Amino acid sequence: DSGVTQTPKHLITATGQRVTLRCSPRSGDLSVYWYQQSLDQGLQFLIQYYNGEERAKGNILERFSAQQFPDLHSELNLSSLELGDSALYFCASSNTVTNGYTFGSGTRLTVV
Amino acid sequence: SQQGEEDPQALSIQEGENATMNCSYKTSINNLQWYRQNSGRGLVHLILIRSNEREKHSGRLRVTLDTSKKSSSLLITASRAADTASYFCATDAGGGSNYKLTFGKGTLLTVNP
Repeated sequence: DSGVTQTPKHLITATGQRVTLRCSPRSGDLSVYWYQQSLDQGLQFLIQYYNGEERAKGNILERFSAQQFPDLHSELNLSSLELGDSALYFCASSNTVTNGYTFGSGTRLTVV
Repeated sequence: SQQGEEDPQALSIQEGENATMNCSYKTSINNLQWYRQNSGRGLVHLILIRSNEREKHSGRLRVTLDTSKKSSSLLITASRAADTASYFCATDAGGGSNYKLTFGKGTLLTVNP
């Protein structure tokens, strides 16, 4: 157990639907990062939050949004889902540069 | 966009042999990190090397960094079947609370018993 909790582990949904992925960071970590991993694109950075505020944005589609709550957990919302959104979605947290990221075990999203 | 590019894409060796993976990147960095990912699982942080360091060791891992060539290598000595995984390099070009890693596409290492 890395200390970063992601739910659900698996999600199967239809095109056009909306889903919410949840992440609880490791205790004491203020930063949360979301990544999308697919076979063709590799690990793509989506968005970073630090202590409730958005700090950096990557290749995140307008259909996707995220937030970090006062208790530091984060949610990634994916809407108007397309087949191409099928991927592994990882959340990671960190407190300092020195320790690197701690990753959760991911949510495998399948859009049918 | 990918910052780091690992080479080779795949590597197959026998148990007990050494495995070397390389990573090249494009922009100036604060540090470079290596991660391991077992199939379908989360990534695990292995080692971090700062831009002012040239070599770092951790157990059976040895990482080198050449900032003039914008490249790094990860050496795993005396490999074991349990080392079978994908290995990613990641670069940090930001700073402070805007610390953001960019990952390469990884090297798939297979260690045959």
